[in-house]
Amino acid sequence: EAGVAQSPRYKIIEKRQSVAFWCNPISGHATLYWYQQILGQGPKLLIQFQNNGVVDDSQLPKDRFSAERLKGVDSTLKIQPAKLEDSAVYLCASSFSPTGGPLHFGNGTRLTVT
Amino acid sequence: DAKTTQPNSMESNEEEPVHLPCNHSTISGTDYIHWYRQLPSQGPEYVIHGLTSNVNNRMASLAIAEDRKSSTLILHRATLRDAAVYYCIRLSLSGTYKYIFGTGTRLKVLA
Repeated sequence: EAGVAQSPRYKIIEKRQSVAFWCNPISGHATLYWYQQILGQGPKLLIQFQNNGVVDDSQLPKDRFSAERLKGVDSTLKIQPAKLEDSAVYLCASSFSPTGGPLHFGNGTRLTVT
Repeated sequence: DAKTTQPNSMESNEEEPVHLPCNHSTISGTDYIHWYRQLPSQGPEYVIHGLTSNVNNRMASLAIAEDRKSSTLILHRATLRDAAVYYCIRLSLSGTYKYIFGTGTRLKVLA
């Protein structure tokens, strides 16, 4: 089974620029998550989708972050404009359902904001 | 509060068993305990999960205290490849089933 695919692997931008990350979950997985992991910390949940609907986005900074999951498959996470404190690894994960099986993570996108 | 408490770091010798503790004193009756680990430069990977009984799989064993306020992940023979950050997570079946990660335990395996 193919794993969760994320791109790009690395991204360097200047503050106030915009950036987008892409995630392709495992086929058939209805639940998709975006996490932010700052160096030395555990992953922090930003947003959770069930199919193409948002289940939880309480930790998403909505003034600058947005995410969508069109057609309930691929997802994109966008930051506009980026701040220095957004430097982190952005991880995408998927699961068959919220309670159906473990999370499968991609290897993440490492974002550096200068 | 869905947080768990784990030691920041632990060390083990190669080929010896490792017991990684986790405290979840405010756990409710329907909360599952999940363990994930994160190798360097990779996303977290699933290790094991349980509700009340002890659980075993090819990677590890999970021992859950009778009052469920704590649990222990057991690696039976640590290898250098087990060096990682191990996360203990409470998964509540009420609400939106959020996996909330803490800071985890960094396991160092000595050759």
